[in-house]
Amino acid sequence: SYVLTQPPSVSVAPGQTARITCGGNNIGTQSVHWYQQKPGQAPLLVVYDDSDRPSGIPERFSGSNSGNTATLTISRVEAGDEADYYCQVWHSTSCHYVFGTGTKVTVL
Amino acid sequence: EVQLVESGGGLVQPGGSLRLSCAASGFIVSYPYMTWVRQAPGKGLEWVSVIYSGGTTYYADSVKGRFTISRDNSERTLYLQMNSLRPEDTAVYYCARGLRHRQDYWGQGTLVTVSS
Repeated sequence: SYVLTQPPSVSVAPGQTARITCGGNNIGTQSVHWYQQKPGQAPLLVVYDDSDRPSGIPERFSGSNSGNTATLTISRVEAGDEADYYCQVWHSTSCHYVFGTGTKVTVL
Repeated sequence: EVQLVESGGGLVQPGGSLRLSCAASGFIVSYPYMTWVRQAPGKGLEWVSVIYSGGTTYYADSVKGRFTISRDNSERTLYLQMNSLRPEDTAVYYCARGLRHRQDYWGQGTLVTVSS
């Protein structure tokens, strides 16, 4: 099965930049989507197709994908960005959807 | 406005069955595809099942043969029939609308607890 690996946690000071990685075999050949989940809430799509943003998502959220690593970047981090973040791909071989292990972002 | 509302969760004994429902508004559940995703307490997201507009279905290995996804287009409702439930199936179950292999709208989830 296809595995997506994320760091368990990332800490960042307000106003700084947070980078969350998502590692997978040749992930650069797939479209990666990112979700934000705050405690007690449903996930929210924040980046799709590696680097596009849904309507209403701030430009501070951006993404990139190459080789074996996809990255979600949150610029000018705010207290409200504190949440769990998950990457996701569609694994065409198995026709399964795969989520990353998740990263907890803490704003110091 | 797109809305998804899950129902049907609750406490069930190991080996028991439960049917979850997801009522959709603002679109029809046959387009483009719908998924179920679950989250065990304190754990990450786990994809469970998908049903495409043509009716094709797929399941995670952990639930294959025990869970069945279906939909009623006229009632704008998605279902998840869960049989032979195990303690490890305990989770919040979310339904989500799919678009080009991403989930763009999610419900608020319904809690399923499998315990004796």
